[in-house]
Amino acid sequence: EVQLVESGGGLVQPGGSLRLSCAASGFTFSDHYIDWVRQAPGKGLEWVGRTRSKAKSYTTEYAASVRGRFTISRDDSMNSLYLQMNSLKTEDTAVYFCTGAYYDGSAYYFAYWGQGTLVTVSS
Amino acid sequence: DIQLTQSPSFLSASVGDRLTITCRASQDISSYLAWYQQRPGRAPKLLIYAASTLQSGVPSRFSGSASGTEFTLTISSLQPEDFATYYCQQLSSYPLTFGGGTNVEIK
Repeated sequence: EVQLVESGGGLVQPGGSLRLSCAASGFTFSDHYIDWVRQAPGKGLEWVGRTRSKAKSYTTEYAASVRGRFTISRDDSMNSLYLQMNSLKTEDTAVYFCTGAYYDGSAYYFAYWGQGTLVTVSS
Repeated sequence: DIQLTQSPSFLSASVGDRLTITCRASQDISSYLAWYQQRPGRAPKLLIYAASTLQSGVPSRFSGSASGTEFTLTISSLQPEDFATYYCQQLSSYPLTFGGGTNVEIK
């Protein structure tokens, strides 16, 4: 069974930092693109960023709203994904989901989701 | 950035109703579109990918179609567990974007 479990959320002051983790099991983690998606309270879904697989040199993409502040990394030996969040703003308050992408031959779709971890940025 | 406009944003329906949700892309995204269902307090669930391909395990009452930059999600006969929020997503180009969501509630 595929599982993604996020951790590391909590309360942090504006300007602070936080590191989220996502532990994966039940699929070949190293072969998969993994994304972070967030959802502010009562709002819709927002894509945060992506890390590609080893085959694609672990390259990353980011949303403009987090580029330069957030960094996605992964440790395939630990089947884990990380989101380092620096210079946090109140508008970063959200539930953060990690998602495992399914490749249909032409695109990567978000087939697997964790339960999410809440990040609250407030003074 | 590619904008996705979902309509309606809110829908009130009854069990057994046929439902159609529309998602319009601001530019050509070919068939790189997915639909997700999100129940309150839960993670989203992939329903449809590549505009019209049903994800494994998803009931056949769900279907997707495309015409140019307009995409539709249809639920042929609404079931109690289908009351949720539905999102479309484009995977044609970065940044990946979602529609604003359609909240389906019980009439």
